[in-house]
Amino acid sequence: GQQLNQSPQSMFIQEGEDVSMNCTSSSIFNTWLWYKQDPGEGPVLLIALYKAGELTSNGRLTAQFGITRKDSFLNISASIPSDVGIYFCAGRNMNRDDKIIFGKGTRLHILP
Amino acid sequence: EPEVTQTPSHQVTQMGQEVILRCVPISNHLYFYWYRQILGQKVEFLVSFYNNEISEKSEIFDDQFSVERPDGSNFTLKIRSTKLEDSAMYFCASTRRGGTDTQYFGPGTRLTVL
Repeated sequence: GQQLNQSPQSMFIQEGEDVSMNCTSSSIFNTWLWYKQDPGEGPVLLIALYKAGELTSNGRLTAQFGITRKDSFLNISASIPSDVGIYFCAGRNMNRDDKIIFGKGTRLHILP
Repeated sequence: EPEVTQTPSHQVTQMGQEVILRCVPISNHLYFYWYRQILGQKVEFLVSFYNNEISEKSEIFDDQFSVERPDGSNFTLKIRSTKLEDSAMYFCASTRRGGTDTQYFGPGTRLTVL
C-alpha cells in the first residue's frame, strides 16, 4: 500500500526557533494534511492542502503541497512551548476512497 | 464548537473478551471512520461507514471487528474476541460530506488487553 515517509522522527529546538518537517510519498496524493497530536488526545487538523503547489498558512504555520503531488512540508515559525507535540503528515490518494493515510509523525521537543 | 466524543476514555479487558467502543460523531455529519494507533506508532485507518454500511475497510479490520450505528447518534466499534495486539488507541472521526471534507477526530479510547 501507499507509504508516507516523514522526517525527522524527532526534533529538539530552542524556544523561538523556526522548525521545518517534511513528508514524501511513494505515490501521488490529491490532498495533503498536517495534524498535531497532544498526549492523550486525538489528532487535530492544522492545515489542509488541495492543489499541487499550494502554499497555505495558519498563523505561525505554513505548509506546501509539492508540485509532484508526492511531498509536502510544514514550517513553524518562532516556536513556543505549546508547539510541543507530535506532528503527522497525512494524505488522501487519487481514488474515490476518502481514508486518510498517516505518516509516522515528528515529535517536537522545545527546550527552554 | 461541536466535537466528536468517545467513551470510555480507557478500557481494560482480558484477552478473548468482547469490547464495544462508543463514539458520538458531530450531529450533522454523515460519514464515520475508525482509526487505531498502537503506542508510539502512526495512526492507521480501520474502516469507513456511510448510509448504514461499510464503505471501505483495511486489512486490519478482519472478522473480529464490526461497526454499527445503532441509533441516530452513536457509532460503535466491536471487537469480538480481543487479542493482546489489539491494545491501542482507537479514534473515531466524522465528516459531513466525505471525500475531501475535513475529518474531525475524537479524543480516543485507550484499549488495554491483558
